[in-house]
Amino acid sequence: NAGVTQTPKFQVLKTGQSMTLQCAQDMNHNSMYWYRQDPGMGLRLIYYSASEGTTDKGEVPNGYNVSRLNKREFSLRLESAAPSQTSVYFCASSGDWYTEAFFGQGTRLTVV
Amino acid sequence: SQQGEEDPQALSIQEGENATMNCSYKTSINNLQWYRQNSGRGLVHLILIRSNEREKHSGRLRVTLDTSKKSSSLLITASRAADTASYFCATEPNQAGTALIFGKGTTLSVSS
Repeated sequence: NAGVTQTPKFQVLKTGQSMTLQCAQDMNHNSMYWYRQDPGMGLRLIYYSASEGTTDKGEVPNGYNVSRLNKREFSLRLESAAPSQTSVYFCASSGDWYTEAFFGQGTRLTVV
Repeated sequence: SQQGEEDPQALSIQEGENATMNCSYKTSINNLQWYRQNSGRGLVHLILIRSNEREKHSGRLRVTLDTSKKSSSLLITASRAADTASYFCATEPNQAGTALIFGKGTTLSVSS
């Protein structure tokens, strides 16, 4: 049982380049999330998807787009990367209310 | 910001001592959860307490919740060096289709 799988684990981008972070879960969870983690800032929600076919903005959505491809997969796209998007990105999933979230191992992204 | 706040930001103790971390939040909640993050890794769920519960135990962990003060505390008893990690509280707002909101975390260092 793999849980939540994120790819890639590390990535270096040049300013203006685009990329997609992939996330897949095998727990049949309805909800999936993308967070970014910066030093001293904790985890901030970028986008989330409460169910297949729906997505909603979180606290820091600017510069990102998401796709809930199916129940398993939730991707995060940076259309034109900026140095301010240098961060560690975490994907997570959870079942219905009153359940814990399961996290992937993170993607460490550096934009130069 | 929607984030809650953990207090203290950093805590250093000796093995065998107890560690107490506090969390304050802003919205009405369904539940509050505590997570642990080892350096460079994803978050791991520790314990969940529902809004109608006041105290919960799991092994060496004790969590309290005071919804009137919008605050929670996590007590780790008889700390071990292996407890060294960052600890985050996360709240599930009392609103359908919303995501977990994380605090900024407390970094715990347990020395032997």
